[in-house]
Amino acid sequence: DAGVIQSPRHEVTEMGQEVTLRCKPISGHDYLFWYRQTMMRGLELLIYFNNNVPIDDSGMPEDRFSAKMPNASFSTLKIQPSEPRDSAVYFCASSRLYLAFFGQGTRLTVV
Amino acid sequence: AQTVTQSQPEMSVQEAETVTLSCTYDTSESDYYLFWYKQPPSRQMILVIRQEAYKQQNATENRFSVNFQKAAKSFSLKISDSQLGDAAMYFCAYRGPNFGNEKLTFGTGTRLTIIP
Repeated sequence: DAGVIQSPRHEVTEMGQEVTLRCKPISGHDYLFWYRQTMMRGLELLIYFNNNVPIDDSGMPEDRFSAKMPNASFSTLKIQPSEPRDSAVYFCASSRLYLAFFGQGTRLTVV
Repeated sequence: AQTVTQSQPEMSVQEAETVTLSCTYDTSESDYYLFWYKQPPSRQMILVIRQEAYKQQNATENRFSVNFQKAAKSFSLKISDSQLGDAAMYFCAYRGPNFGNEKLTFGTGTRLTIIP
């Protein structure tokens, strides 16, 4: 299996622009998680899905953030409009049972 | 809410020696899962080892082993025969047992340096 695949690896955008991060989970996994990593806050959960249904989105910072999982093999995290404080590494992870595997992350820089 | 504490921001060890990274956690659950993840400079989060709380036996994966003390809520990672490739950030993580508790709660990490 190719593992969890995230794209893009790096994204640089200007403040106010829309940003879309993409994730392909491992086939057969029924959970998908979006995490954000910053120096100040460490690794924090944004949202997670079970069988494509959002279970907990309490970590989504504000209405500028939205996430979708239209099918079992694809998820997106969208930020609109983006702000400099959104600069971070965004990880997608998928799991089956209790083992979670992470993608390589997207480093987002908002200037 | 569950919390995970890693009190050692940085550790260093001589190559081929043994090092232990500490982790404590707080939970009211009796059944849960604990993990150690490694994050090298490539930033990939790599699962190193896991422990199910209902298992008394400490988990072992090659040179990596844990010391799980359930009553003390302690979960330390021992790396034996340290290698240069072990240099990374190490994160301890907790996962609850039930539906709605599947998220991982992470500690703040320990940066491990291997001295040649």
